[in-house]
Amino acid sequence: GEDVEQSLFLSVREGDSSVINCTYTDSSSTYLYWYKQEPGAGLQLLTYIFSNMDMKQDQRLTVLLNKKDKHLSLRIADTQTGDSAIYFCAPMDTGRRALTFGSGTRLQVQP
Amino acid sequence: NAGVTQTPKFQVLKTGQSMTLQCAQDMNHEYMSWYRQDPGMGLRLIHYSVGAGITDQGEVPNGYNVSRSTTEDFPLRLLSAAPSQTSVYFCASSYRQVGYGYTFGSGTRLTVV
Repeated sequence: GEDVEQSLFLSVREGDSSVINCTYTDSSSTYLYWYKQEPGAGLQLLTYIFSNMDMKQDQRLTVLLNKKDKHLSLRIADTQTGDSAIYFCAPMDTGRRALTFGSGTRLQVQP
Repeated sequence: NAGVTQTPKFQVLKTGQSMTLQCAQDMNHEYMSWYRQDPGMGLRLIHYSVGAGITDQGEVPNGYNVSRSTTEDFPLRLLSAAPSQTSVYFCASSYRQVGYGYTFGSGTRLTVV
């Protein structure tokens, strides 16, 4: 099955850019999603990228996909304290329409 | 408000008890899934459904049953609770068309003692 790896922790200062990285193993994943989880809450869909794209920009969020290396990244511009949360990369198994999650990256934004 | 509703939000069970976690969505989504989230880990798929009357197993199905008699509801049954089932359970739903992400409920925090 699919394996998804993320670094566990990232700390940035308010106003800086944050880059959260993810590697995955299943090259057949056609859609790759980013979710945000705040403490005690469910998961909120942030953005996604289709596998035939290299980049997608959505306001402060930029997703980069290197399909050859199976590497996905999420860049958050002008990071705010409200961005502090756990971020999950989740490729989709198109056959089962199921998501595979990494262990998540905890983003801490310091004032 | 449209979304995925999970009940209860919190539950404590004794080992061996059974219970049903409820999940309902009002977005007419065809696809529904149950995940569990353990501390320091991502979410793992328990069971999923691609439509009413159709269910299938995910990565960690043992100890759980599901049914999908309507499009809206997808309950998860714990047959005989064990401490290893202590976790946070999330229900999620999505449209059939590929490209739509899943919408998640706010979760049920279950403790088995």
